[in-house]
Amino acid sequence: ETGVTQSPTHLIKTRGQQVTLRCSSQSGHNTVSWYQQALGQGPQFIFQYYREEENGRGNFPPRFSGLQFPNYSSELNVNALELDDSALYLCASSSRQMNTEAFFGQGTRLTVV
Amino acid sequence: GNSVTQMEGPVTLSEEAFLTINCTYTATGYPSLFWYVQYPGEGLQLLLKATKADDKGSNKGFEATYRKETTSFHLEKGSVQVSDSAVYFCALTSLKAAGNKLTFGGGTRVLVKP
Repeated sequence: ETGVTQSPTHLIKTRGQQVTLRCSSQSGHNTVSWYQQALGQGPQFIFQYYREEENGRGNFPPRFSGLQFPNYSSELNVNALELDDSALYLCASSSRQMNTEAFFGQGTRLTVV
Repeated sequence: GNSVTQMEGPVTLSEEAFLTINCTYTATGYPSLFWYVQYPGEGLQLLLKATKADDKGSNKGFEATYRKETTSFHLEKGSVQVSDSAVYFCALTSLKAAGNKLTFGGGTRVLVKP
């Protein structure tokens, strides 16, 4: 059984650029959630994808968008990067049918300069 | 809305000391409660959970009891080890939360010295 994997592990971008982060969910999981963890803070919910559709969104602007693919993997896209977007981005997968808890990946550390 | 408040760190302890991290919550409905742990440079790992009032979650010597009357879910360990040094997050999810999202506290850094 494979766990949740995220890529890349680290990334440096310039303000105003766009970034795409990727997540492969754990085997058997069909739901993917994304979280932003600023330095020294708890993770904040960005959004969740289920059956390739957004299913719940936190307090993040529209420049944060996502996709889920038929194999349940997911992407997080952030446009017009701002310095405050610098954070650890965490992906979590779960199975709605099996009512499992969320399993997290190692995260992608994004630095915006 | 849902919220989680946990004691601020850092908490510095000697090996074999007793650890308590306080966590209180505000939630609509009947939330499930979790403790996650984050080791340096890693993602979050589920440590334990409780899904209804008076349930006790336990794992690796850590325990927490779901107290509905005090809206609390304090984490305890009787004898910590250096390897327990990490950041601990209390979290909740409720069926009414959009997408069953997890709401986290701010985290408590624990440092265990030999």
